[in-house]
Amino acid sequence: GDSVTQMEGPVTLSEEAFLTINCTYTATGYPSLFWYVQYPGEGLQLLLKATKADDKGSNKGFEATYRKETTSFHLEKGSVQVSDSAVYFCALSENTGGFKTIFGAGTRLFVKA
Amino acid sequence: DTAVSQTPKYLVTQMGNDKSIKCEQNLGHDTMYWYKQDSKKFLKIMFSYNNKELIINETVPNRFSPKSPDKAHLNLHINSLELGDSAVYFCASSQDRASGYTFGSGTRLTVV
Repeated sequence: GDSVTQMEGPVTLSEEAFLTINCTYTATGYPSLFWYVQYPGEGLQLLLKATKADDKGSNKGFEATYRKETTSFHLEKGSVQVSDSAVYFCALSENTGGFKTIFGAGTRLFVKA
Repeated sequence: DTAVSQTPKYLVTQMGNDKSIKCEQNLGHDTMYWYKQDSKKFLKIMFSYNNKELIINETVPNRFSPKSPDKAHLNLHINSLELGDSAVYFCASSQDRASGYTFGSGTRLTVV
C-alpha cells in the first residue's frame, strides 16, 4: 500500500539556520502531497501542498517540490525562527475514492535562540 | 468562526465506560474524518464519511462507532473504554483530494 517516510527527529537548529526535512513516498498513480505543521497542544495545520510533478508548494518561507523521479517532497526553509518549533508531517492523498490521507511519522523541530 | 470544532477538548474516564466525542464543521465540506494520534505522534485514520455515507472504515475495534447525522457533523462513540484507547482524537474535513484537510484542535482522551 501507499506509504510516507520522513526523517526521524528531533531536529535541533539555531535561529536563522537552514532547514531540510526529508520526505519520500510510495504510491500507485499520482498522489497529492502535503506538509502539515502541529504546534504544541493544537491540531494539524496545512502548511503547503503540491498536486502534480514539479509543482512547488510554498508558504511562510517554507517550500517543497514534488519530485516524481525520486518520489520525494523535502521541506526546506532558508532561515528558521524560534516560532517554527513544532512537529512537521509529510502526507499524501491517495488517488482513489475517499480522499484518504496517509501521514508520515512526524519530525519534531526545535529552534534555539 | 471556528472551522472544525470538537468537544470536549479533554476527557478523563474510567475503564469500561462509554463516551462520545462530537465534531462539527462550518466549511461546507462534503467529507469528514476521524484520526487517532498516539503518544509518539503517529496518526492513523479510523473512519471517513462523505455526505453522511461511510466510505472509509479502517481496522478499528467495533467498540468504536461513528455517526453522521448530516454532512456538517461526525460524532464518535466509544463503548467499554480500555486503557489502550488513551490518545488524542482528531476530527478533520476536506472538500477534495487536492485541497488537504482542515483539522479540529483534538480531544485528549485519558482512560484510567
